[in-house]
Amino acid sequence: EVVLTQSPGTLSLSPGERATLSCRASQTVSTSYNLAWYQQKPGQAPRLLIYGASSRATGIPDRFSGSGSGTDFTLTISRLEPEDFAVYYCQQYGNSPYTFGQGTKVEIK
Amino acid sequence: EVQLVESGGGLVQPGGSLRLSCAASGFTFNSHAMSWVRQAPGKGLEWVSGIGGTTGNTYYADSVKGRLTVSRDYSKNTLYLQMNSLRVEDTAIYYCARESRGYNFGIFDCWGEGTLVSVSS
Repeated sequence: EVVLTQSPGTLSLSPGERATLSCRASQTVSTSYNLAWYQQKPGQAPRLLIYGASSRATGIPDRFSGSGSGTDFTLTISRLEPEDFAVYYCQQYGNSPYTFGQGTKVEIK
Repeated sequence: EVQLVESGGGLVQPGGSLRLSCAASGFTFNSHAMSWVRQAPGKGLEWVSGIGGTTGNTYYADSVKGRLTVSRDYSKNTLYLQMNSLRVEDTAIYYCARESRGYNFGIFDCWGEGTLVSVSS
């Protein structure tokens, strides 16, 4: 199965700063772009942010952007809002079984 | 408004059984594949099982194959997960997730709030 490794484990930033989260796959994700990002806040279900590596899901603000292909993917939050402090997971769906990264926590500095 | 509401979780002994349900509303149920995704306490996400929108084709993670069975009732707009031979390592919050397409593709665009399954003696 495809193993996704996210870095860093924790990102400590202030509101208004830029956040850059990385997701690296152990092998090329089939069709190269079958990668999604989810946000999860404490006690809540995950929420789809990005699919197809770079397409924003419905209702997601444009401060969230995704990029990358093959084995290296990035989620960027251009300017952190207070509600953006959460855990972020990448997920690949190009290879069976679908797999998730271990998560990156974005915390308030 | 799209809603997914899980139920059926609880405490069960190792080797026991549970059936989880997920009541869906606000969308055409048979137009979407569905999946179950779990999250052990304090851990990350793990896809468990999926079922097609109209085909009813089913898919399982190796860790649950032969013990968990996914099904859906189109007349009740409800997704199920029959869990047998439960193990301590099955302890997790189980989320019902809608897939964005009619066939299993892996983009989970809507999630329920989850139901907690605890396996312990």
